Order: sequence, then structure tokens, then C-alpha cells
Amino acid sequence: KNEVEQSPQNLTAQEGEFITINCSYSVGISALHWLQQHPGGGIVSLFMLSSGKKKHGRLIATINIQEKHSSLHITASHPRDSAVYICAGGIDKLIFGTGTRLQVFP
Amino acid sequence: GAGVSQSPSNKVTEKGKDVELRCDPISGHTALYWYRQSLGQGLEFLIYFQGNSAPDKSGLPSDRFSAERTGGSVSTLTIQRTQQEDSAVYLCASSPDRGREQFFGPGTRLTVL
Repeated sequence: KNEVEQSPQNLTAQEGEFITINCSYSVGISALHWLQQHPGGGIVSLFMLSSGKKKHGRLIATINIQEKHSSLHITASHPRDSAVYICAGGIDKLIFGTGTRLQVFP
Repeated sequence: GAGVSQSPSNKVTEKGKDVELRCDPISGHTALYWYRQSLGQGLEFLIYFQGNSAPDKSGLPSDRFSAERTGGSVSTLTIQRTQQEDSAVYLCASSPDRGREQFFGPGTRLTVL
């Protein structure tokens, strides 16, 4: 059965801190998506990756295919980064993790 | 350009009624997906359309759920004889092609009383 597990469930940080959210996935999943959902807001795709590392602004996503593990890093976190971050595995039929609720305090 | 749009944004219905939810994907996107987000189940895949291929319906929870995509563009998700457990936010996403980044719509919040 394809599965995606995400940790931590909840994360609080002070503004400026470096943040890491982890995602492990099972055999059969060949691509990983990172999504962001603000409270009451829609879902925004941050990254889709199947190998290596991608960077966009202060966000960095990495994936280790051998270990079936991906991480999302946020550098110099800011209160506006407060949101739920969701990893999802798959090419088309996404299998979602349970999400990480991030709160960044000033 | 315009993103994925969904209508209605909110729908309240009585148990047993049928509902139709609409998705307008980004123009030119060949892949279209339906998901739902509920408190108890999180996000889950429902159905996927790619071009003119037969849709992948493997995520539909029961035969009360169906979806169609007309002319390779607009899609409608229909729920017949709604039940309270159908209450959720129904999300549509589109992608330029299969296996690419997905762009999500704002969702339709369905409440079944």
C-alpha cells in the first residue's frame, strides 16, 4: 500500500529560525509534491520533485530516493510562513500526508 | 492568467439531494483532478482525467459519486443522494500534462444537513 508519512504534526518557531519538515514515503511513489495551505485559504503547490533539490526564494526542498525521504526547509522564517504544509506522493493520483501546522511568531 | 475556478464556493444541501460541483481548469491544461478534504480523512484523491483517455475513478468512495469532463475542459463532479459524511471541501486541480505540477482551485465547501 502506498503511504506518505509526515512529521512533525505541529511546529512553532520564532521569526528568523530555520525550519525543517520531513516526509517519508513508501515504495511505488516516484515523485513528491510539497503544498502550502494558509488558514481558510486554498492550496498552493510549492514544489514537485523526483530527485535532487529545488529552491525557490527562502524555500528549499530535497529528496533522497534511496531513503524514500524528502524535506522542506524554510530559511529565515517569517510570520507569513505560518500555514499547513502538506507533502503528497505520486505522479497523478496524489497520496497526501497529514500535514504540518507551522506557526511562526514575531 | 486565470487560475482554476470552482463553483459554487459553498453549497448547503439536505441529505438525500443530488449536487453538482463545477471546475474550470486553466486553459490548455490536459490533466484535471478532483480531491476532497474532510476533517476526519484529510486530503484524498477522487478521480483524474487526462486528455481523451478514460478517467481514473479509483478514488471515488461510492457509486453515488461520478464525474465528467466535457470537451477536455470543464468538469462536473456529481454526488447523488448526498449523505452527511459527504460534507467536505471538494478541490479541483489541473496540470499542463500528467506528472506535472498541479494547480489547485479554491474548492467548494459542501455541507450536507
